[in-house]
Amino acid sequence: GESVGLHLPTLSVQEGDNSIINCAYSNSASDYFIWYKQESGKGPQFIIDIRSNMDKRQGQRVTVLLNKTVKHLSLQIAATQPGDSAVYFCAENSQDNFNKFYFGSGTKLNVKP
Amino acid sequence: DTGVSQNPRHKITKRGQNVTFRCDPISEHNRLYWYRQTLGQGPEFLTYFQNEAQLEKSRLLSDRFSAERPKGSFSTLEIQRTEQGDSAMYLCASSFHGELFFGEGSRLTVL
Repeated sequence: GESVGLHLPTLSVQEGDNSIINCAYSNSASDYFIWYKQESGKGPQFIIDIRSNMDKRQGQRVTVLLNKTVKHLSLQIAATQPGDSAVYFCAENSQDNFNKFYFGSGTKLNVKP
Repeated sequence: DTGVSQNPRHKITKRGQNVTFRCDPISEHNRLYWYRQTLGQGPEFLTYFQNEAQLEKSRLLSDRFSAERPKGSFSTLEIQRTEQGDSAMYLCASSFHGELFFGEGSRLTVL
């Protein structure tokens, strides 16, 4: 089956620094990707998405980069704040299996004040 | 609040008992999903509805699990004869087209 995984299980950054969270996927047919943020005891919250016809998309303080050649996705958070501390998941979806989103195991982001 | 609503938020039960979780999706969303999440892991797909039709079920969904969406609005997930391995967060999500909107989840603890 499809495999979506993250390179780093835990990332610690200083408040104000930029954070980069990485994700690898194995299904070359995947064409839609989402980053979710999950705080303790809560459901995943949508951050930003990107389709495979793009390689970069920017939101408020967040940027997602997609490299289809190496099947790699990253989430960049600018000026990381304590409120950004959470677990971040990437999820992928494909046209040939659009009913499902596959999630990686997550990266825990710790923001030190 | 017009987000996805799940009840109950927490359920503690003894092994062998039946439990039922309810999900109220965002009203205009025709797609509804159930996922299961264990500690330190990402959500795992369980099943998917489009309107009232259950179109896909994961192999994770044993015959003790049943999900319904009778009128194409709210959904229920029932687990019969619960086992300790069923302890997890059960997440419901809905969508119209594109991203999934998740509820806060129903945490099940089986003693």
